[in-house]
Amino acid sequence: KAGVTQTPRYLIKTRGQQVTLSCSPISGHRSVSWYQQTPGQGLQFLFEYFSETQRNKGNFPGRFSGRQFSNSRSEMNVSTLELGDSALYLCASSPTAGALSSYNEQFFGPGTRLTVL
Amino acid sequence: KNQVEQSPQSLIILEGKNCTLQCNYTVSPFSNLRWYKQDTGRGPVSLTIMTFSENTKSNGRYTATLDADTKQSSLHITASQLSDSASYICVVSGVDSNYQLIWGAGTKLIIKP
Repeated sequence: KAGVTQTPRYLIKTRGQQVTLSCSPISGHRSVSWYQQTPGQGLQFLFEYFSETQRNKGNFPGRFSGRQFSNSRSEMNVSTLELGDSALYLCASSPTAGALSSYNEQFFGPGTRLTVL
Repeated sequence: KNQVEQSPQSLIILEGKNCTLQCNYTVSPFSNLRWYKQDTGRGPVSLTIMTFSENTKSNGRYTATLDADTKQSSLHITASQLSDSASYICVVSGVDSNYQLIWGAGTKLIIKP
């Protein structure tokens, strides 16, 4: 069974630009969560999607948005990029919703390394 | 404020030695605690998951312990191997209105031959 795939793996943008990241979950998984990881900080939860609906949202500004398609693939968009948005963006998939508080395990992709200049 | 603190920040040990990583949390009420291993350039991979009623859980050479009274957890690695070099992250799930996971910053472990 193929794992979680994320594209692109690396991205360099300049301040003010926008970016779209893509995540394909494990086949059969319907929940996709997005996280931001910066050096010295724990993963910060962005949002979770299940069956094309946003189920949970973290404390990030409205510049961060996402969506999920009928095939469970998900995209994350960041508009008006800032230097502080440079980070590793991780996507995780789970068979069911409620991965945040349940015993369900999340399976992570390799991440997209975003650098904002 | 719900927090998860891990110590040490980084650790270097020789191959074959044992080590113990610590995790203290203030998340309450508490649902479950997980330990993840994250290799450089990869996403985290789950090692163990424990609820408040579990004291110990093992996964091969990895043994996690949990003391829900003192809100402490540890991850013990036995007979370390070079492939154990990674960041180890403690994650606590609280039962609140957002049901969010609280991630620790991780301990970077380096195994030297």
